Amino acid sequence: NAGVTQTPKFRVLKTGQSMTLLCAQDMNHEYMYWYRQDPGMGLRLIHYSVGEGTTAKGEVPDGYNVSRLKKQNFLLGLESAAPSQTSVYFCASSYLGGSETQYFGPGTRLLVL
Amino acid sequence: KQEVTQIPAALSVPEGENLVLNCSFTDSAIYNLQWFRQDPGKGLTSLLLIQSSQREQTSGRLNASLDKSSGRSTLYIAASQPGDSATYLCAVVTQGGSEKLVFGKGTKLTVNP
Repeated sequence: NAGVTQTPKFRVLKTGQSMTLLCAQDMNHEYMYWYRQDPGMGLRLIHYSVGEGTTAKGEVPDGYNVSRLKKQNFLLGLESAAPSQTSVYFCASSYLGGSETQYFGPGTRLLVL
Repeated sequence: KQEVTQIPAALSVPEGENLVLNCSFTDSAIYNLQWFRQDPGKGLTSLLLIQSSQREQTSGRLNASLDKSSGRSTLYIAASQPGDSATYLCAVVTQGGSEKLVFGKGTKLTVNP
């Protein structure tokens, strides 16, 4: 099993550009999550999904949109990138939500100029 | 609002030493507490998950304890090795928190040969 994979690994954007981060898991997990990690701020939840076709807001959802059209994929979109969105983005998944271990992807480093 | 604190922020020890990392949380109504390890430039790896009904969990040289009433957990690492050098993150899932993990900012551990 590949576990949780993220595409791309690194990206540079200009302010105002848009992009989509892809997360894929092959563990048949129901729950998927997007976090951002910033120095001094720790990991913060952006959006999450409790199953195919569902999405919900986390702690810092503004400026991001998500979609879960297929169970194995969770997409994070930035409609109009801002320098404040420069961060490392992690995707995670778990079988049954908070009672289960979350498995993390390797991260996507995003730099917005 | 659940807050998770990890002290110290950084720790440097000589190889072979036994050490304890601390985690505290403000809301004792949790489902579980998880300890993760993060290597530089990498994603998070789950180390131990303690359910709210449990007092401790062990995996190899690692032992995690949970005192829910006092809002504290410790991660004990026995006979530390240079390969243990990493950032260790504590996270809790709060009851009524939609099964979302709330992370501490981590303790950066350096084990010197």
